[in-house]
Amino acid sequence: AQSVTQPDIHITVSEGASLELRCNYSYGATPYLFWYVQSPGQGLQLLLKYFSGDTLVQGIKGFEAEFKRSQSSFNLRKPSVHWSDAAEYFCAVGAPGNTDKLIFGTGTRLQVFP
Amino acid sequence: DTAVSQTPKYLVTQMGNDKSIKCEQNLGHDTMYWYKQDSKKFLKIMFSYNNKELIINETVPNRFSPKSPDKAHLNLHINSLELGDSAVYFCASSLRQLDTQYFGPGTRLTVL
Repeated sequence: AQSVTQPDIHITVSEGASLELRCNYSYGATPYLFWYVQSPGQGLQLLLKYFSGDTLVQGIKGFEAEFKRSQSSFNLRKPSVHWSDAAEYFCAVGAPGNTDKLIFGTGTRLQVFP
Repeated sequence: DTAVSQTPKYLVTQMGNDKSIKCEQNLGHDTMYWYKQDSKKFLKIMFSYNNKELIINETVPNRFSPKSPDKAHLNLHINSLELGDSAVYFCASSLRQLDTQYFGPGTRLTVL
């Protein structure tokens, strides 16, 4: 079965600084990978996803992520963080051909200081 | 128009009661889901329906029973509520399995 790990529970950055949120997965084949964002009191919203092809994926709100098979990682990046990016970020992995469910990571809470 | 809507947004009830949460999506999706998010923000799938057919049924107590009257609706009924059922419950939908999921705003259930 697939699994996903987000090693950082809480990250604090200054507004304008760059950001990288880590996500590691475990699956024998190429997984489907997603990053979702959850603002306080709201549901999750998709930032970006990777199914196949170009390993550098662009998403909404200026986010991007890179699939690295050799490192089993799908880290989320943003070159310059805005105060409105403060939220909970979830990485999720799907295992096509194995199971129909997404497994979500435990989330990383992002705090942004002015 | 809200893509995935849930009612109610808040639900406060006593232990032992029975309650229902309703979910509707207007995206024309074939697949719908129920997730439970605990106080530590851990998100776990409970059920998934595809074209009104149950396809994922995780290890959830029998007190939880989903019902999908049509492709656009997926309701969750909970019998004999317990303190541990307190959580935020999210409904979601996707065009097909393992595709992008669109989440509702959540229902915060508090069992006293």
